[in-house]
Amino acid sequence: QITLKESGPALVKPTQTLTLTCTFSGFSLSTSGVGVGWIRQAPGKALEWLALIYWNDNERYSPSVKSSLTITKDTSKNQVVLRMTSMGPEDTGTYYCARRGCIGGSCYNSFDYWGQGILVTVSS
Amino acid sequence: QSALTQPASVSGSPGQSITISCTGTTSDVGVYYYVSWYQQRPGKAPKLMIYDVSNRPSGISNRFSGSKSGNTASLIISDLQPEDEADFYCGSYTSSSTWVFGGGTKLTVL
Repeated sequence: QITLKESGPALVKPTQTLTLTCTFSGFSLSTSGVGVGWIRQAPGKALEWLALIYWNDNERYSPSVKSSLTITKDTSKNQVVLRMTSMGPEDTGTYYCARRGCIGGSCYNSFDYWGQGILVTVSS
Repeated sequence: QSALTQPASVSGSPGQSITISCTGTTSDVGVYYYVSWYQQRPGKAPKLMIYDVSNRPSGISNRFSGSKSGNTASLIISDLQPEDEADFYCGSYTSSSTWVFGGGTKLTVL
């Protein structure tokens, strides 16, 4: 059974750095093709893709927030960490981690398993 | 990269078919067959419904289908059911090796 779960602070102050952890089970981030990404959703708004890290440590970032993001992985702990600097009120929303879709022995450019999400509010 | 364009809302009656469009550019929807569709119910995480334009993951009803023509992808839901009411998002892999989502479409089953 594949599960992902986000953890981190529910409230951060403006200008602070947000650190979110995605802890997953049921798959390995050392398997070829596998990736774990972060997607956020402001209240009442659309999904916004933020970043993804692959099994081979390749990192991809959204151009719109690239300068403030860092994604890392700890394969032994089955965790992916997203770090976002200079948080502002516009960064308030639900943050999801999700697995790059893999079916059978092939991986696809979609997200097949998602965490429940964590609501992060940026406010002083 | 700009968000993909979806209609804000669509509606249909039970038993009918509806189509949700997703328009991108030659840098995303138009360049690969890597379009996916997600269903999101209120307060829940998105759920993958279609991947690679027209493929259904295991367990997804065959009432859901997808297609693509040029820079526009489409999600078709046939035999509309009350439980289909949700928000739907398209997503696409891009030529920059990133992902982009659409603005979302609220489906109302009348």
